[in-house]
Amino acid sequence: AQSVTQLGSHVSVSEGALVLLRCNYSSSVPPYLFWYVQYPNQGLQLLLKYTTGATLVKGINGFEAEFKKSETSFHLTKPSAHMSDAAEYFCAVSDTGSNYQLIWGAGTKLIIKP
Amino acid sequence: NAGVTQTPKFRILKIGQSMTLQCTQDMNHNYMYWYRQDPGMGLKLIYYSVGAGITDKGEVPNGYNVSRSTTEDFPLRLELAAPSQTSVYFCASSKIQGVDQPQHFGDGTRLSIL
Repeated sequence: AQSVTQLGSHVSVSEGALVLLRCNYSSSVPPYLFWYVQYPNQGLQLLLKYTTGATLVKGINGFEAEFKKSETSFHLTKPSAHMSDAAEYFCAVSDTGSNYQLIWGAGTKLIIKP
Repeated sequence: NAGVTQTPKFRILKIGQSMTLQCTQDMNHNYMYWYRQDPGMGLKLIYYSVGAGITDKGEVPNGYNVSRSTTEDFPLRLELAAPSQTSVYFCASSKIQGVDQPQHFGDGTRLSIL
């Protein structure tokens, strides 16, 4: 069965610093990977996704993620953090063995220090 | 643009009471989902529906029931509320179920069982 691990339930960075949120997955077949963002008291919205093709994927709000098959990783990065990036971020993998249902990581709360 | 609308936003129930969480979407999406979100646990799929009249169990269906009489509506029913059902519930929808189809989320219902 596929699974997703997000390292660190909380990540704190200073405004203007690099953001790195880690996601590792387990899958026996080529995965389809997603990052969603959840702002306080809101639902989740899609940040970016990897399906096929280019392994570096760009999303909204300046975020990007790189699919590394050899490391089974899909880490999310942003060069310079803004206060508005404070939110919870979820990594998910599409379970091809279960009709593409999403398997979710536990989430990482990003804290931005002024 | 309404998207996915959930009501109520907050609710406190006593043990043993019942209630229905409402979810409606105006995007003509075929697929709809109910998740629960517990701290540090990510999202767990409760039930999903691939179209009107068709529903299926997800990972954690016990204690819940659903129906899908129309494309727009997908209510979630709790028959005998238990403290373990205290959670944040999210409804989501997608056009079809596939790797290129993001899920669109409502803002959630925060439910406490006391």
